[in-house]
Amino acid sequence: DAGVIQSPRHEVTEMGQEVTLRCKPISGHDYLFWYRQTMMRGLELLIYFNNNVPIDDSGMPEDRFSAKMPNASFSTLKIQPSEPRDSAVYFCASSPGLAGVNTQYFGPGTRLTVL
Amino acid sequence: AQSVTQLGSHVSVSEGALVLLRCNYSSSVPPYLFWYVQYPNQGLQLLLKYTTGATLVKGINGFEAEFKKSETSFHLTKPSAHMSDAAEYFCAVSQAGGYNKLIFGAGTRLAVHP
Repeated sequence: DAGVIQSPRHEVTEMGQEVTLRCKPISGHDYLFWYRQTMMRGLELLIYFNNNVPIDDSGMPEDRFSAKMPNASFSTLKIQPSEPRDSAVYFCASSPGLAGVNTQYFGPGTRLTVL
Repeated sequence: AQSVTQLGSHVSVSEGALVLLRCNYSSSVPPYLFWYVQYPNQGLQLLLKYTTGATLVKGINGFEAEFKKSETSFHLTKPSAHMSDAAEYFCAVSQAGGYNKLIFGAGTRLAVHP
């Protein structure tokens, strides 16, 4: 299996632009997670899906952030409009069951820089 | 609410020395505990986990951790550090009420010197 795939690996954009991050989970995994990692705040869970349905988006920082999972093999995290404080590494992860019991498999991350 | 505290944001050891990374948790229910490792410019990967059963858990790359309920601890150890162990290590506890997600600690960056 190729593991969790994220694209792009690096994104540099200007403040105010729309940014879309993409994720392909491991086939057969029914949970998908979006995390953000920064030096100041560490690793934060933004949102997670179960069977393509958003379950908990309490970590989404504000309305500028949105996430979708139109099918079992694809998810997007969108930031519109982007701001410099959104600069971070964004990870997607998937798991074959409850994340608190099963292993989460992380993608390589997308490093976002907002100028 | 569940929480995780990792003592020491940076730990430095010599090659061949004992590695000890500390993790304490709080949980209102029997916890499931995890250690993940992040190598530079990579995502996190599972080192080991404790769910039920034996309290001494062995993981990949020679690491192990012991669940001590009385001390609410889950410290990570390795008898002899290798240069390749240099990475950031995250302790995590499952959130009660469905075990749907993990609560991660702030991480400990391990440096290994020749």
